[in-house]
Amino acid sequence: DAGVIQSPRHEVTEMGQEVTLRCKPISGHDYLFWYRQTMMRGLELLIYFNNNVPIDDSGMPEDRFSAKMPNASFSTLKIQPSEPRDSAVYFCASSSVNRGIAEAFFGQGTRLTVV
Amino acid sequence: AQSVTQPDIHITVSEGASLELRCNYSYGATPYLFWYVQSPGQGLQLLLKYFSGDTLVQGIKGFEAEFKRSQSSFNLRKPSVHWSDAAEYFCAVADSGGSNYKLTFGKGTLLTVNP
Repeated sequence: DAGVIQSPRHEVTEMGQEVTLRCKPISGHDYLFWYRQTMMRGLELLIYFNNNVPIDDSGMPEDRFSAKMPNASFSTLKIQPSEPRDSAVYFCASSSVNRGIAEAFFGQGTRLTVV
Repeated sequence: AQSVTQPDIHITVSEGASLELRCNYSYGATPYLFWYVQSPGQGLQLLLKYFSGDTLVQGIKGFEAEFKRSQSSFNLRKPSVHWSDAAEYFCAVADSGGSNYKLTFGKGTLLTVNP
C-alpha cells in the first residue's frame, strides 16, 4: 500500500479564497483523522470519521472549516474563506480497528500558506 | 481531559551518546501511549506503543520506552544516537476507556545530533 496520500503538498492562497485539501486513506482503514500542526499550538485534532461518518468535529476551529468523507477512499478538508491564521501544516491520518484503533498512519501533510 | 507534557523543547546530543526524551501524561486510568517521530517536511512515523503488559517496550530504529505508572511517565530512550535520528519526537496518549481513537500529542522535542 502507498500509505496515506495527501494533496497538494503545498498550497499558497490569498486571504478570502477557498482552499480544499485532499486525503486518500490506506485501503481497509475505517478511521480517518484530520490534524493541524502549528508552532504555537502543536498538533491538534480537527475532526475524525469512522466508516465515513463524522464522529467528533469539536476540534474544528470555526464554521469556515468543513470536512467530508464521501466514500472510504477519499476525504476533503475545506476552508472558506481562508485567513492568514489558517496557515499551518494539515495532516491526514488513518487507522484500522484490527491493528489497534489508535495506531494512526500519517500522510506527509499539506503545508498551507494564506497571504 | 487527557494531556501530554514534553518538558524539553530542544535537546542536543553527540553522535554515539545515549538519549532520553521525557514524556509525562495526565489521565485517570492507564492510557495507551505512543511515540512518533517526524523528519523535516515529512509526516509522523510510529516508533513504538504501549497498550498493556511489559512496561518496557521496544520499537523501531533501536528505540525503547518505559511506562512508569507511579510517575505518569513514558520516556523514550536510545543507547547510542545516530546522526539520522535528528528529528522531532512526539509523545501521544489515547483513551483506553473505549474511545481510544483520538490521539492527544505533546508539543514535541526537537533532537539535534552533533557529529
